[in-house]
Formats: sequence, structure tokens, C-alpha cells
Amino acid sequence: AQTVTQSQPEMSVQEAETVTLSCTYDTSESDYYLFWYKQPPSRQMILVIRQEAYKQQNATENRFSVNFQKAAKSFSLKISDSQLGDAAMYFCAAWSGRDDKIIFGKGTRLHILP
Amino acid sequence: GAGVSQSPRYKVAKRGQDVALRCDPISGHVSLFWYQQALGQGPEFLTYFQNEAQLDKSGLPSDRFFAERPEGSVSTLKIQRTQQEDSAVYLCASSLGKSSYNEQFFGPGTRLTVL
Repeated sequence: AQTVTQSQPEMSVQEAETVTLSCTYDTSESDYYLFWYKQPPSRQMILVIRQEAYKQQNATENRFSVNFQKAAKSFSLKISDSQLGDAAMYFCAAWSGRDDKIIFGKGTRLHILP
Repeated sequence: GAGVSQSPRYKVAKRGQDVALRCDPISGHVSLFWYQQALGQGPEFLTYFQNEAQLDKSGLPSDRFFAERPEGSVSTLKIQRTQQEDSAVYLCASSLGKSSYNEQFFGPGTRLTVL
């Protein structure tokens, strides 16, 4: 079975600085996807970024990028130039073709300090 | 509509009551998912529909939980004889594609409190 572990329950970063959120996963599958989802205080979760396991190039979306270390089963999210609107819960998640469902980690609450 | 909507947003039930939670997905989205999110936890998968077919219900915690999507659009999650451990936020998500790896669009959730 897949597992997703986020070891940082909370983090804080100064506005305009860079922060990295950690995630490790465990799967025996070769076909899988990894995700970061953001859940702002209003609770409507949105997709931040997605990485296909077969792609070696790290995914990027504007200020958001990932560091995908396949051998280490690590998938961290880097947020550059942090903004107040980035304050939220961030969930790392994994999908495999075998189960065809998404497994979420417990989340990291990110605080942005003005 | 513009996004996934859920109703009611908040529901308080006495232990033993039945509840029904509604999800209106984005029009045209094939796949619909239900998740349960306990306080301070990540969402946990409950069940998944592709159109009107319930393809996976392995996450439903007991036979008190039942979900349907009879016309392949609106879905209802029903919980019979609610228990205190059912208290959680229930999230609905929909996606355009047939597989879970496609981007899922989430609703605001229904917060269920069982007294």
C-alpha cells in the first residue's frame, strides 16, 4: 500500500522569502503521480503542482517548484517569493495505477509572516 | 456552475440520526470522489464514481455509509445511524477525466458534527 509522510506539521516563512515543504512517500509501483494540494482557510482544496514519476524533470508552476528525488522517494515543494495568500494547509499526495486513488499526507500548515 | 458545490455546509446531528450530504460537481465532469477529513488530518478516500457507476467503495468505513450518483451528475452521501466518530468534514471532488490522477476540483466540504 502507498503511504505519504509529511514530517513538518507547521512552518513559518517571512513574506518574500523562500520556503521548502518536505514529503516522503512509499510505493512499490513504477507508474505513479505525485501532487501538492493547497487548502486555504476557506477549505476549498486546489491543485498546486503535479509530477509524473516517469518524468525526470522537476515540475514548476510559477513560484512553485518541486524537488523530485525518485531514488530517495522524496517530493518537496519549494515556494519562492512567499506571499500572504500562500498561507494554507499543504497536502502532499500520491496516486498509483494499481489502486487508482489518491492518498494524502497529514499536511503542513504554512504561516506567512508579514 | 463555476465550481463544485456541497450542501449543507454545516450539519449537526444527534447520534443515531440519518444524514444526507449532497455534491454538485462541475458540469460535464465524469469522475466524482468523496473524502472524509478528520480534524487535523488529510482527506481520506471514501468512494469514487465514473458517471453513474460506483467503481470503488473500498474506503467507506462501514455499511452505514452509502453513496449514489444515479444520473451521473449530482451525488449524495448518506450516513445511517450516525455515530460520534463520523464527525468530520466530508469533501467532494470532481474531475474531467476517468482516472484519479487527473486534476480534482474540490468543493468547500460539509462539516458534520454528531452529538
